[in-house]
Amino acid sequence: KAGVTQTPRYLIKTRGQQVTLSCSPISGHRSVSWYQQTPGQGLQFLFEYFSETQRNKGNFPGRFSGRQFSNSRSEMNVSTLELGDSALYLCASSSGAEGHTYEQYFGPGTRLTVT
Amino acid sequence: QKEVEQNSGPLSVPEGAIASLNCTYSDRGSQSFFWYRQYSGKSPELIMFIYSNGDKEDGRFTAQLNKASQYVSLLIRDSQPSDSATYLCAVKYSNYQLIWGAGTKLIIKP
Repeated sequence: KAGVTQTPRYLIKTRGQQVTLSCSPISGHRSVSWYQQTPGQGLQFLFEYFSETQRNKGNFPGRFSGRQFSNSRSEMNVSTLELGDSALYLCASSSGAEGHTYEQYFGPGTRLTVT
Repeated sequence: QKEVEQNSGPLSVPEGAIASLNCTYSDRGSQSFFWYRQYSGKSPELIMFIYSNGDKEDGRFTAQLNKASQYVSLLIRDSQPSDSATYLCAVKYSNYQLIWGAGTKLIIKP
């Protein structure tokens, strides 16, 4: 089974621009979660989508948004980029279904640098 | 507020010894518990999960869960230098969200 894929792997943007990151989950998985990770900050939860609906949301400003398509692929968008948005953005895939233990499998991440 | 706590370390263990990593959580409604390993610059990798009280073994790794005391631990037997990484504990609550600890940095000394 193919793993979680994320594109692009690296990105350099200028402050004020916007960016879209993409995630393709493991085949058959319907839940996609997004995380931001900065040095020393651990994993910060952004949001989770299940069957095209946002099911959970973390404490990030509205500049961070996402969506999920009918094939479970997900995109994350960050508008009006700030220097503090420089981070590793991780996508995690899970079956997400009721009664499952909900283990998450991570993609390789997108490293975003804002200059 | 749901919290998951881990000692940030670093935890230094001699090669061949047992490494013991601990994690405590605040909410008794927790359902499933996960251990991930993250090498520097890489994404987290699932090691194992546990949801029943007691021990669960997988090769050199053993997860231990004690719901009454609200802690979960990970034991690594015969530690190898390749085990040097940050270990993340995650806890699932009823709303399908994982709450993450900040991670423990483990260093295995040859």
